[in-house]
Amino acid sequence: GESVGLHLPTLSVQEGDNSIINCAYSNSASDYFIWYKQESGKGPQFIIDIRSNMDKRQGQRVTVLLNKTVKHLSLQIAATQPGDSAVYFCAENIRGYSTLTFGKGTMLLVSP
Amino acid sequence: DTGVSQDPRHKITKRGQNVTFRCDPISEHNRLYWYRQTLGQGPEFLTYFQNEAQLEKSRLLSDRFSAERPKGSFSTLEIQRTEQGDSAMYLCASTPGGDLETQYFGPGTRLLVL
Repeated sequence: GESVGLHLPTLSVQEGDNSIINCAYSNSASDYFIWYKQESGKGPQFIIDIRSNMDKRQGQRVTVLLNKTVKHLSLQIAATQPGDSAVYFCAENIRGYSTLTFGKGTMLLVSP
Repeated sequence: DTGVSQDPRHKITKRGQNVTFRCDPISEHNRLYWYRQTLGQGPEFLTYFQNEAQLEKSRLLSDRFSAERPKGSFSTLEIQRTEQGDSAMYLCASTPGGDLETQYFGPGTRLLVL
């Protein structure tokens, strides 16, 4: 299930389940979106990206869906593994502006 | 390892001291970014460089913060007269230098100001 923790929303799943992490982005002018995985004490690690001219992109075990109408981004992780446990951030970028704007983050906890 | 590297990984300092962090970007990456991340939050953009030119610095948190990239390779971030509120993770990222590119992050420097 999904719950709001002290700092971050948390999604708890069983190993082997599919996970869906959601993100509402802020700027309708954003052109590029990235999902990052961040483990405790480490920097964000690139997972997958998508440009605004697409609505779906698949990687290895991961799929990103983009709904520009409602400014919503989701990350689907298939057959979630304990090693997927981390905080996941979405980030948005506007063409011509080099800065990334990060969302709040979701903690994914995978139980064996 | 040819990724972004940062040094030191951890820094503990007393309030009022100056600290300097170093970032080495991925080789041949022209753009280098600095972010700050506090507990439970996403990274917050501070500044970035295109080669040695600092193109955006209005988001630096105060005039106590400064960054340099003198030769267009590694960069340093300095915080003068540190305050307890400066305690955070300081992250560096780099990209080749075009538009809408993936930013690759280093491991970060965790600063604790006592």
